Amino acid sequence: GAGVSQSPSNKVTEKGKDVELRCDPISGHTALYWYRQSLGQGLEFLIYFQGNSAPDKSGLPSDRFSAERTGGSVSTLTIQRTQQEDSAVYLCASSLYLGGRETQYFGPGTRLLVL
Amino acid sequence: AQKITQTQPGMFVQEKEAVTLDCTYDTSDPSYGLFWYKQPSSGEMIFLIYQGSYDQQNATEGRYSLNFQKARKSANLVISASQLGDSAMYFCAMRADNQGGKLIFGQGTELSVKP
Repeated sequence: GAGVSQSPSNKVTEKGKDVELRCDPISGHTALYWYRQSLGQGLEFLIYFQGNSAPDKSGLPSDRFSAERTGGSVSTLTIQRTQQEDSAVYLCASSLYLGGRETQYFGPGTRLLVL
Repeated sequence: AQKITQTQPGMFVQEKEAVTLDCTYDTSDPSYGLFWYKQPSSGEMIFLIYQGSYDQQNATEGRYSLNFQKARKSANLVISASQLGDSAMYFCAMRADNQGGKLIFGQGTELSVKP
């Protein structure tokens, strides 16, 4: 079966521009997560969605970051007015449900470079 | 606050030998799960093994085993019979059941397997 997919795989943008990153989770997975992996910061949690519950946005670094999940499936992470410190690999993961022994399966990531 | 510590930035092991990657954690939540992921140079995050805080037995998955010492708050990964394909970054992660679904990651250990 298909795994988690993300697009684009690479994105180069200019400082101040907005970008949208897309994640398609594994079919049937109710939970979806976004993480960021940057040099010197390791992997950090950004946001997760679980079914129809309100998302946990506690990891979003600023109000320039937002995410939505439409129809309980595809998710889009939007970064407004990008800054050079936003350059990182953005990883999406999904799991069948939240918590317990559930494993999060990761996508290949989107490499974002802000010039 | 939750924290994962991996004190070995880099490790070398001879092919066919066993290697232990260290992970210590800190949490005040009584119920939590510990995960190990492998990240090859291709960038994908591959789930390896899971240990629940109430599990009585140490987890094993093929050549991977987890040396779980709850009182010491350590969850070391043991890879037996190392293979060249094991060369990668290895991340320890924790999810506290009272904190929702987010994973907290350590900084990672880069493992190099020598022929």
